[in-house]
Amino acid sequence: GAGVSQTPSNKVTEKGKYVELRCDPISGHTALYWYRQSLGQGPEFLIYFQGTGAADDSGLPNDRFFAVRPEGSVSTLKIQRTERGDSAVYLCASSPRGRADSLTDTQYFGPGTRLTVL
Amino acid sequence: DQQVKQNSPSLSVQEGRISILNCDYTNSMFDYFLWYKKYPAEGPTFLISISSIKDKNEDGRFTVFLNKSAKHLSLHIVPSQPGDSAVYFCAASEDSGYALNFGKGTSLLVTP
Repeated sequence: GAGVSQTPSNKVTEKGKYVELRCDPISGHTALYWYRQSLGQGPEFLIYFQGTGAADDSGLPNDRFFAVRPEGSVSTLKIQRTERGDSAVYLCASSPRGRADSLTDTQYFGPGTRLTVL
Repeated sequence: DQQVKQNSPSLSVQEGRISILNCDYTNSMFDYFLWYKKYPAEGPTFLISISSIKDKNEDGRFTVFLNKSAKHLSLHIVPSQPGDSAVYFCAASEDSGYALNFGKGTSLLVTP
């Protein structure tokens, strides 16, 4: 079946602008995660949704970052007043159950959106 | 602070030989460990996982070993193939479904 998809694949914006990044998870997956990967680093956790609610947003770096998942499927990561330091690859992952039960649950990643802030 | 460390940025192995990728972690609360493989311009692809109740998990050519007392895990690839050339990330979480903490990755090159 289809994997996690993310749009756009690349986004170039100017400092101070607003951007939205979209994630379509694997159908039926209840959990959705956003990560950010800077050059030479591993992915860093931003936020986790269980269904429609943000169950853990401890990784969001500041209040310029916000994410929604209104219908429990597609999610949008929103960044206000972008800064050059926001340039990175933004990765979305989904998993079947998240923390809903104790079985092992694997996160499957999309290809990412490369954000460049000039 | 980096809670998951991959101290070898790169590794080169001949085709057919064993590749061993290492990973250390500092958080004793980590209970679930995964390895992901990443090709350029693609997202990480899940490879294999292990929970803390086990010390070994095998899937085809890939085996992950966990030493909880040493806070160390390793990925063995036998035999290595040129298509295995990629960046390998070690990841850990406090439980399945929780945020993953990643290492910086090890770039594996398998030469013919």
